[in-house]
Amino acid sequence: DIVMTQSPLSLSVTPGESASISCRSSQSLLHNNGFYSLAWFLQRPGQSPQLLISLASSRASGVPDRFSGSGSGTDFTLKISRVEAEDVGVYYCMQALQAPVTFGGGTKVEIK
Amino acid sequence: EVHLLESGGDLAQPGGSLRLSCTASAFTFRNYAMSWVRQAPGKGLEWISTIYIGGITTYYADSVKGRFIITRDDSKSTLFLQMNRLRAEDTAIYYCAKDHIPLDGDYTCDYWGQGTLVTVSS
Repeated sequence: DIVMTQSPLSLSVTPGESASISCRSSQSLLHNNGFYSLAWFLQRPGQSPQLLISLASSRASGVPDRFSGSGSGTDFTLKISRVEAEDVGVYYCMQALQAPVTFGGGTKVEIK
Repeated sequence: EVHLLESGGDLAQPGGSLRLSCTASAFTFRNYAMSWVRQAPGKGLEWISTIYIGGITTYYADSVKGRFIITRDDSKSTLFLQMNRLRAEDTAIYYCAKDHIPLDGDYTCDYWGQGTLVTVSS
């Protein structure tokens, strides 16, 4: 199974500043279609997860451009520019390369 | 607007069974792979199972393989999860979710239901 490791475990951010979350996979997530099979989700308190980024860097429909994904191979980053109060929650990365699908342990983002 | 509505969550005894349903609307259900993902209380997300279009190809997490069965009824736009030989560690909110790419799919889900709670306890 592919192991997904996120860091940090938690993050406290001042509104308007930026934040970065790292996700590392135990093997390359390069699909034979040339894309990286890595997704990012946000789970706001009391809500279902929301897809933010797919294929490592493709923003999902309706997701603000403050969210961006990057990375390759086994190392990926989610960057949130100009953090807002609504960005509070737990962020998860997920590998979609192969079953079993695996998630990172989550990064809790709070507002200072 | 895409909508996924899970039902069937309940209190069950260890060793018992439950059947979860997920009714979908506002998209062509038969064209998308569908998945179940669960979240134990206070814990992270755990993928459970995916079923591809046509209902033949399915995948399961090791934690549920041999106990859970995922199926779909495209005529009713409904996804199912038959849960057998339940264990205390199956206690979780169960989410159904839709793949973001039609036909082939890639396990990445762009729409999720609100979840249904399964509690396994004597």
